[in-house]
Amino acid sequence: GNSVTQMEGPVTLSEEAFLTINCTYTATGYPSLFWYVQYPGEGLQLLLKATKADDKGSNKGFEATYRKETTSFHLEKGSVQVSDSAVYFCALTPYGQNFVFGPGTRLSVLP
Amino acid sequence: DTGVSQNPRHKITKRGQNVTFRCDPISEHNRLYWYRQTLGQGPEFLTYFQNEAQLEKSRLLSDRFSAERPKGSFSTLEIQRTEQGDSAMYLCASSSQTGVYEQYFGPGTRLTVT
Repeated sequence: GNSVTQMEGPVTLSEEAFLTINCTYTATGYPSLFWYVQYPGEGLQLLLKATKADDKGSNKGFEATYRKETTSFHLEKGSVQVSDSAVYFCALTPYGQNFVFGPGTRLSVLP
Repeated sequence: DTGVSQNPRHKITKRGQNVTFRCDPISEHNRLYWYRQTLGQGPEFLTYFQNEAQLEKSRLLSDRFSAERPKGSFSTLEIQRTEQGDSAMYLCASSSQTGVYEQYFGPGTRLTVT
């Protein structure tokens, strides 16, 4: 079956540090891949997406590249801010009917 | 565009009672999803509608759960004979057929079964 694995948190960084949150997946075919973010007290929001191999999704300084050979979609940001503190979820869907989410990684950024 | 809305936001019920939640998707979205999320976990897919048709349902979904979307607009999720293990946040999301499966989530309904 389809599954998503994320690095365990919490991840604690100082402001302006480099961020990587690892995500690997298991799926048949070529799923679409997503990162969602949940800020404290808010609902889930789409952060970025990629629909085919080697696509790079980007938004708000965050980036992730769809790597079919390593079945990965790692989230990166060059310089995190306190406002980036949130829970980040990696997710996939094979064809838009059934989504599979990872367990989430909590990020805390200290000033 | 007022976003996805869910009602009620919180529900406390006693074990064995039935509960019903409502989701109003973004008006032009024809796809609607229900998820369950427990503390420290990601959303778990429950079911999916395209217009009024329920096209996908999780194998993990108990027979006590049922969802409808009678006119292809709002949807309801009913849980019969609630159990303490049903306590969770129930999330609704919608997306358009033209978007690349970009889901917009509602704020969720938090269910507590005592």
